[in-house]
Amino acid sequence: GAGVSQSPSNKVTEKGKDVELRCDPISGHTALYWYRQSLGQGLEFLIYFQGNSAPDKSGLPSDRFSAERTGGSVSTLTIQRTQQEDSAVYLCASSQGPSAGNTIYFGEGSWLTVV
Amino acid sequence: KQEVTQIPAALSVPEGENLVLNCSFTDSAIYNLQWFRQDPGKGLTSLLLIQSSQREQTSGRLNASLDKSSGRSTLYIAASQPGDSATYLCAVVNTGTASKLTFGTGTRLQVTL
Repeated sequence: GAGVSQSPSNKVTEKGKDVELRCDPISGHTALYWYRQSLGQGLEFLIYFQGNSAPDKSGLPSDRFSAERTGGSVSTLTIQRTQQEDSAVYLCASSQGPSAGNTIYFGEGSWLTVV
Repeated sequence: KQEVTQIPAALSVPEGENLVLNCSFTDSAIYNLQWFRQDPGKGLTSLLLIQSSQREQTSGRLNASLDKSSGRSTLYIAASQPGDSATYLCAVVNTGTASKLTFGTGTRLQVTL
């Protein structure tokens, strides 16, 4: 596609429910990232996928968070048993290779509200 | 641990002014530094990418400089326009952690008529 696509754009869920957020990276981009932006906070790294390598999960805040990337393209971020503090914008990004040498392109985010 | 700071947190200028946004980082062992723009309710748009071996990058009315040894970068916007109003974020990629960008908290810019 022309850009990074994320869905849903907005999600309101009840505390304790599971949610899935989807990301379609730019075609041909091997690197995919998830970041979280809480109200009034900076962007927080969550997870990084690069090609067929094992993902860097070091930013996931708890074991309620998981992500997968199928076929080296689409990625899904899953939050189990959501809590109110999970309310944030979840941003996906992709780049042609590792961010060390490549411009990174962001989607418009999935706005999650846990009530 | 890398820490990125942006000053000022907010800035309001009249249209036509030239302005400078500042970004500082504590660990100079970086691969690159990127400047992004974020409009309200939107994702981030990459503006400029400066590799660690470079001193500056230019795109239109934007010029970004990098002084790695002092841990500083500036984003210069010439002849500001109301359409430049947005939050500007800088982010660095550290050597050894090529996957992660560490972001500053941003400067919220408003350009008034």
